Amino acid sequence: GENVEQHPSTLSVQEGDSAVIKCTYSDSASNYFPWYKQELGKGPQLIIDIRSNVGEKKDQRIAVTLNKTAKHFSLHITETQPEDSAVYFCAVRGNTPLVFGKGTRLSVIA
Amino acid sequence: DAGVIQSPRHEVTEMGQEVTLRCKPISGHDYLFWYRQTMMRGLELLIYFNNNVPIDDSGMPEDRFSAKMPNASFSTLKIQPSEPRDSAVYFCASSFRTNAYNEQFFGPGTRLTVL
Repeated sequence: GENVEQHPSTLSVQEGDSAVIKCTYSDSASNYFPWYKQELGKGPQLIIDIRSNVGEKKDQRIAVTLNKTAKHFSLHITETQPEDSAVYFCAVRGNTPLVFGKGTRLSVIA
Repeated sequence: DAGVIQSPRHEVTEMGQEVTLRCKPISGHDYLFWYRQTMMRGLELLIYFNNNVPIDDSGMPEDRFSAKMPNASFSTLKIQPSEPRDSAVYFCASSFRTNAYNEQFFGPGTRLTVL
């Protein structure tokens, strides 16, 4: 089955700096790559996603890049703010429901 | 819409007791997913339903776990008997006509502690 690796597991950045989280996957047939944000005490919530026919997608301060050849994709958050502090999960979908990475705990230090 | 509703939000029980977790998906959604979240294993898919029918339960850890969806607006996840290693946060999520591009909407989760 699909295997998703996510790095780093924890990340601390100064407010205003950028944060990058990376994921790799194993199944070349996978075609949908969403990112979820989980705030304390809440369920994960979709923040951005990308399909396999697109290399990059941007939504204000967040962007996702996809390299299908290398089977990895990344989440980029620019101009980080304290409210960006949360756990971020990448996920991959092919012929089965979403397979999630183990998450990255992002701390934005004011 | 109220979103996905889960109850209880917190459950503390003793080993050997039966535990029932409940979920109400978003109205109109035809897929329902149960996940378990732990520090060690992250988010694991336990089982999912389509139109109230279980499609894949390969993630259910043991026969002690069972899930039902008697109608489109209600699902239960039952653990009997419960064990301390079942302690985790259990999430229910729903989506509409899951294909490659449909968002899953998660409930707030049930934090289960088995003593």
